[in-house]
Amino acid sequence: DTGVSQDPRHKITKRGQNVTFRCDPISEHNRLYWYRQTLGQGPEFLTYFQNEAQLEKSRLLSDRFSAERPKGSFSTLEIQRTEQGDSAMYLCASSLAQLVYEQFFGPGTRLTVL
Amino acid sequence: AQSVSQHNHHVILSEAASLELGCNYSYGGTVNLFWYVQYPGQHLQLLLKYFSGDPLVKGIKGFEAEFIKSKFSFNLRKPSVQWSDTAEYFCAAEGGSYIPTFGRGTSLIVHP
Repeated sequence: DTGVSQDPRHKITKRGQNVTFRCDPISEHNRLYWYRQTLGQGPEFLTYFQNEAQLEKSRLLSDRFSAERPKGSFSTLEIQRTEQGDSAMYLCASSLAQLVYEQFFGPGTRLTVL
Repeated sequence: AQSVSQHNHHVILSEAASLELGCNYSYGGTVNLFWYVQYPGQHLQLLLKYFSGDPLVKGIKGFEAEFIKSKFSFNLRKPSVQWSDTAEYFCAAEGGSYIPTFGRGTSLIVHP
């Protein structure tokens, strides 16, 4: 499968714990995006990378959230000291820089904070 | 701030019925518009997009959308739905930042 993959698909954690999610984009895609989707809502932008550079962050990305894309390939999204309000689906998408509107989405990681 | 409104949150149709899902955006400048679809158990995928030119855009699986600038609308249509069109549909708008703003989605159920 050469699509966008995300791991894990589901994560259940207790409030206060740290969690880390991974996204593997389509191999030749240099742009990578993270979105959050809560029940009954559309995806909300969190941050994006072009290669290894994080170019924009949403105000939704509090200081408990950090994202990295160290070698311009896979990316990780870490949430520290999780809160119940962090429960959501976290989506990753990738695209070519010259075709930024052709975003390909992964299956998402569903986070449940107890 | 840019926003996208989808007024129909849940739509239930019988096969062969016609479909129209409403989408309105608020953005004063040049805007690019999209419809995404998420079939049950599958990833979100692009259905169609509008950048410029002909305001009637055709997408995959017989879907089309019409951009009406004066109404700030980009409604999705299909003349005859099939059971396999059961999915969640998201409208999105982007105004130069390359980051789309999504609506809350419309759940479509098509009965065979």
